[in-house]
Amino acid sequence: GAVVSQHPSWVICKSGTSVKIECRSLDFQATTMFWYRQFPKQSLMLMATSNEGSKATYEQGVEKDKFLINHASLTLSTLTVTSAHPEDSSFYICSAKGQGRQPQHFGDGTRLSIL
Amino acid sequence: AQSVTQPDIHITVSEGASLELRCNYSYGATPYLFWYVQSPGQGLQLLLKYFSGDTLVQGIKGFEAEFKRSQSSFNLRKPSVHWSDAAEYFCAVGAGSGGSNYKLTFGKGTLLTVNP
Repeated sequence: GAVVSQHPSWVICKSGTSVKIECRSLDFQATTMFWYRQFPKQSLMLMATSNEGSKATYEQGVEKDKFLINHASLTLSTLTVTSAHPEDSSFYICSAKGQGRQPQHFGDGTRLSIL
Repeated sequence: AQSVTQPDIHITVSEGASLELRCNYSYGATPYLFWYVQSPGQGLQLLLKYFSGDTLVQGIKGFEAEFKRSQSSFNLRKPSVHWSDAAEYFCAVGAGSGGSNYKLTFGKGTLLTVNP
């Protein structure tokens, strides 16, 4: 149980384009979803937290107009990197959590490469 | 604010040997503690969690961890390591009321190498 699917797993695109990453909880209702960024050989950096039907809460230093998060249902959250540039290249990981004292379950991540 | 320290950046053990990965946390209230494992290019898999109760927690793949409040530690152990255990291990502390919005703070990770 507690499977989180993240898609796509790898995307390469040109500078200036927008990229959407999907995160789905397959077998549980995710009242809260989280988006992280991970640089090579480093730990995870929380970007934002989203609750279903509410606006996302962004961490300090994360541009909310650059990284658009939508949590439209209890099983789906999306991260859109708008007007992506090479410095946005990274490994993005989502996680999902059910109601109450539940752990976060992680997707397999998306490697984003901006040329 | 909470923090997590994993003192060992890289550990190498022989297959079949025992393993202990250290984790120390800083948090003002009762912490929620987690160990996750990450294989290269993959997401994180939950090994085990501590919310309350028994301080010795059993997880998947033969791992266990012990919460020691007096030492602010949550060390991960395995009695006999397998080659497939080679990966990056992250300790994390969850802050908040236990409701939907608690955030995880991760340590910097410990890379485990297993020699045949």
